[in-house]
Amino acid sequence: GAGVSQTPSNKVTEKGKYVELRCDPISGHTALYWYRQSLGQGPEFLIYFQGTGAADDSGLPNDRFFAVRPEGSVSTLKIQRTERGDSAVYLCASSRLGETQYFGPGTRLLVL
Amino acid sequence: EDKVVQSPLSLVVHEGDTVTLNCSYEVTNFRSLLWYKQEKKAPTFLFMLTSSGIEKKSGRLSSILDKKELSSILNITATQTGDSAIYLCAVFSGGSNYKLTFGKGTLLTVNP
Repeated sequence: GAGVSQTPSNKVTEKGKYVELRCDPISGHTALYWYRQSLGQGPEFLIYFQGTGAADDSGLPNDRFFAVRPEGSVSTLKIQRTERGDSAVYLCASSRLGETQYFGPGTRLLVL
Repeated sequence: EDKVVQSPLSLVVHEGDTVTLNCSYEVTNFRSLLWYKQEKKAPTFLFMLTSSGIEKKSGRLSSILDKKELSSILNITATQTGDSAIYLCAVFSGGSNYKLTFGKGTLLTVNP
């Protein structure tokens, strides 16, 4: 079946702008995760959804970051007032509860 | 704070060589350790090792978990150029079954 998909693949924006990154999980996966990967680092946990609710958002770096999953499937990561330090690859993963996480291809965000 | 350390950070070998990648961890309430292969952007799942499954093998790849030494190794035999990638090790952190803490990865380059 189809894997996790993410759009856009690449996003270039200017400092101060607002961006939305989309994740479409594997069908039937109730758990969805967002991670951020900076150059030369492993992915870092941002937020975890179980169904529609954010079960753990402890990894979000500050209140400029927000994520939603209104119908328990597609999720959107929203970043307000972007800063150059937000530049990274944003990875989404999905799984059945407690099982292996399968990752999407990521969105490479560049803030100029 | 949970921690995953991988070594070496990078490795260059010739086709046909055998390589061993290392991962050590410090984590509260260990559940399982995962290995991923990352080419370009998306990490691809390789193995999950738990207390009840400390050794896994798939083709030329194999992995062992040493719970006493809090470490794991990933072996690749008869390497091919297609094995060139970043290999990521991760553990579920904080006793959770959803939040992965990753190491920085090992960049493997296999030259023809």
